[in-house]
Amino acid sequence: IAGITQAPTSQILAAGRRMTLRCTQDMRHNAMYWYRQDLGLGLRLIHYSNTAGTTGKGEVPDGYSVSRANTDDFPLTLASAVPSQTSVYFCASSEEGGGTDTQYFGPGTRLTVL
Amino acid sequence: GQNIDQPTEMTATEGAIVQINCTYQTSGFNGLFWYQQHAGEAPTFLSYNVLDGLEEKGRFSSFLSRSKGYSYLLLKELQMKDSASYLCAVRDGDYKLSFGAGTTVTVRA
Repeated sequence: IAGITQAPTSQILAAGRRMTLRCTQDMRHNAMYWYRQDLGLGLRLIHYSNTAGTTGKGEVPDGYSVSRANTDDFPLTLASAVPSQTSVYFCASSEEGGGTDTQYFGPGTRLTVL
Repeated sequence: GQNIDQPTEMTATEGAIVQINCTYQTSGFNGLFWYQQHAGEAPTFLSYNVLDGLEEKGRFSSFLSRSKGYSYLLLKELQMKDSASYLCAVRDGDYKLSFGAGTTVTVRA
């Protein structure tokens, strides 16, 4: 059982380019999340999805978009990357999105925008 | 917005005890989580508190006081492998997790 996988592991990207970060989980969790982690700021929620077909905005959604076509996959797209989007991106999933739900994290993608 | 405060860094000796405090002010409360994160790795779940009191899990314990907006994570019998960042996270009224910036614990021999 892999849990949550993310790709790529790391990426250097020119500003203005489009980039999609991939996230796949095999735990059949309903809820999935994207966070970014920056030094001194902790993890901040970008977008989330409580179930396939639905998405919502988190704390820092600007410049990012997501889709949830099925239960397993939750890609994050940067339409036109900017240097302030340099960060480590973590995907997470949980069974339901509420109650005593625990979120489990993928290994992360380290993105550098030049 | 949410406000979650925890110390930036702590240092302790192998075999000792360290207590990491977390204070929070959030819109609603639906539980508090502690995660461990080793450098370059993903956060991993340590503990969950939703009622007041102490939850013990081996060498790690977590305490919650909802009236004071306060939690602590207690690490006993410290080992070198416990050197990591410890993240306090609060689930708010909308069931979204807000994280503190994390406390980096360094265990010295």
